[in-house]
Amino acid sequence: EAQVTQNPRYLITVTGKKLTVTCSQNMNHEYMSWYRQDPGLGLRQIYYSMNVEVTDKGDVPEGYKVSRKEKRNFPLILESPSPNQTSLYFCASSMDEGREQYFGPGTRLTVT
Amino acid sequence: GNSVTQMEGPVTLSEEAFLTINCTYTATGYPSLFWYVQYPGEGLQLLLKATKADDKGSNKGFEATYRKETTSFHLEKGSVQVSDSAVYFCALSEWGGSQGNLIFGKGTKLSVKP
Repeated sequence: EAQVTQNPRYLITVTGKKLTVTCSQNMNHEYMSWYRQDPGLGLRQIYYSMNVEVTDKGDVPEGYKVSRKEKRNFPLILESPSPNQTSLYFCASSMDEGREQYFGPGTRLTVT
Repeated sequence: GNSVTQMEGPVTLSEEAFLTINCTYTATGYPSLFWYVQYPGEGLQLLLKATKADDKGSNKGFEATYRKETTSFHLEKGSVQVSDSAVYFCALSEWGGSQGNLIFGKGTKLSVKP
């Protein structure tokens, strides 16, 4: 089954404790992206990657890092999480320009 | 910069009612426009899209027409069902047909009552 998977689905952590949210797609897609969803703000793009080793900032990149060492994986790294990063995070992928973007099921992160 | 504005919810309708969710956009170029749907506890799914002016996207009984003159992409359905209850997001892509950088509206929650 074609899908985007994220882990963990739920995470509660404390301020400053480094964490990684994994994202993997099995569709051989070139493009991958991370969004955060917050009430009243909709979805905002954090980082995206057009291909392996090619990443770029989205609208709200502060406090986040990403890497794209393999085509299928695009982990999101929070080196020192803060409470304002409490949010619902979505990973997405697509084949290329103009194609449908597939979303993962989401990761709900709480930073206390 | 580019932006998307959609009507605020929540919207509550009875089954078989007509649905309109308004969406307008601001863009400097010629974006592609999308409607995504998010069912409770799930990620977003593409509902429909239009890539140029006057295109009509349609899927599952939903329709939206790309109106360049009014910079709008309103979502409509003639007869909603309880199963349509979800959050709907209007979005545009900054680079023509690419979904490389989607800009979303804030979402409109739809509740359909039996």
